Amino acid sequence: GAGVSQTPSNKVTEKGKYVELRCDPISGHTALYWYRQSLGQGPEFLIYFQGTGAADDSGLPNDRFFAVRPEGSVSTLKIQRTERGDSAVYLCASSLNPTGIGIGLGTEAFFGQGTRLTVV
Amino acid sequence: AQSVTQLGSHVSVSEGALVLLRCNYSSSVPPYLFWYVQYPNQGLQLLLKYTSAATLVKGINGFEAEFKKSETSFHLTKPSAHMSDAAEYFCAVSAADDYKLSFGAGTTVTVRA
Repeated sequence: GAGVSQTPSNKVTEKGKYVELRCDPISGHTALYWYRQSLGQGPEFLIYFQGTGAADDSGLPNDRFFAVRPEGSVSTLKIQRTERGDSAVYLCASSLNPTGIGIGLGTEAFFGQGTRLTVV
Repeated sequence: AQSVTQLGSHVSVSEGALVLLRCNYSSSVPPYLFWYVQYPNQGLQLLLKYTSAATLVKGINGFEAEFKKSETSFHLTKPSAHMSDAAEYFCAVSAADDYKLSFGAGTTVTVRA
């Protein structure tokens, strides 16, 4: 596609439920990133995929959060037993070249519009 | 570790006036610095980036930023604000060979007619 696509754009769920957030990166981009933006804060890193594998999941807050990218393209962020504190905008980004976020052509990360998750 | 601090969560300027958004960074290694803009209902868009070449960096839409190592700053400026500049602006930092961005809390810009 022309850009990074995230679905749904908005999701309201009840506390304790399971949710899945989808990210469709730009075609051909091997690197994919998830960030979380809480109200009044900047985005915070969650996880980075290089191809199909999670190269760095150090930003995932706890084991209720999990992400997959089985075919090296679409990624799904999964949250189990949601809590009100999980409410945030979840951003996905992709880049062509994963080796350094700014050092050369193809390293720019393109962001999707985000999924606004509200846990009630 | 890298981090940034954006001074001022809200900035209001008159159309045609100077836009100045402040960003100070902390980094244990030479940093790469970025400014992103987020328009309502849109994703983050890269405005400009500093990657150890020229200290004065020009970006899109007439914005520029100057890297000042002595002040650990990377302030964003635009000489003349336009109504279309109303948005939220984020400063971010990464290490030179890292894929992670560390973002500031953001500054919301409103432009008065």
